[in-house]
Amino acid sequence: SAVISQKPSRDICQRGTSLTIQCQVDSQVTMMFWYRQQPGQSLTLIATANQGSEATYESGFVIDKFPISRPNLTFSTLTVSNMSPEDSSIYLCSVEPKGDYGYTFGSGTRLTVV
Amino acid sequence: QKEVEQDPGPLSVPEGAIVSLNCTYSNSAFQYFMWYRQYSRKGPELLMYTYSSGNKEDGRFTAQVDKSSKYISLFIRDSQPSDSATYLCAMSGWTSGTYKYIFGTGTRLKVLA
Repeated sequence: SAVISQKPSRDICQRGTSLTIQCQVDSQVTMMFWYRQQPGQSLTLIATANQGSEATYESGFVIDKFPISRPNLTFSTLTVSNMSPEDSSIYLCSVEPKGDYGYTFGSGTRLTVV
Repeated sequence: QKEVEQDPGPLSVPEGAIVSLNCTYSNSAFQYFMWYRQYSRKGPELLMYTYSSGNKEDGRFTAQVDKSSKYISLFIRDSQPSDSATYLCAMSGWTSGTYKYIFGTGTRLKVLA
């Protein structure tokens, strides 16, 4: 399965600032996914990023808040903009299942907004 | 009603115990059922998946699906301290023309040496 490198692994940010999270995959993939994992809540899909097209956002998530780039088939970034303490969470990138119905995830970015 | 319910734990067991982890769900359209393991400060990794009802065994792990009851289980035999992690159930299927892949909230397991 694919190997995903995600960085930064953690960060503490001031409210009102933005953070860009990077996700690098060791093989070419068509679809990449960004998830949020908040304490006590299930993994929630933020958006799906296809190379060469705009990301598709899930209900409750908007491009102005979570802009995504997908410049090639192995790389994507997620920016958390104008952060507030409510954005404190773990953000995970993921790639599509390959026949075994299991997503492969990066190690996650633990974000704390103060 | 949430689409999937999972007891958050934490669940503490002694080494060697049999562990039972469970999820219930409400959408009968789900066909594939997965279990992920997530160690601290790591992303989830797929343990096993099952299609429709039935059992699937992989070493010390057994996944069970009862679609009639909308209930899935993961059993861990001879549990080890290295099994200490959060276990997330997940399920997928087409519903109302939309493909859904959803996760439970996870159950924290601690196996005591």
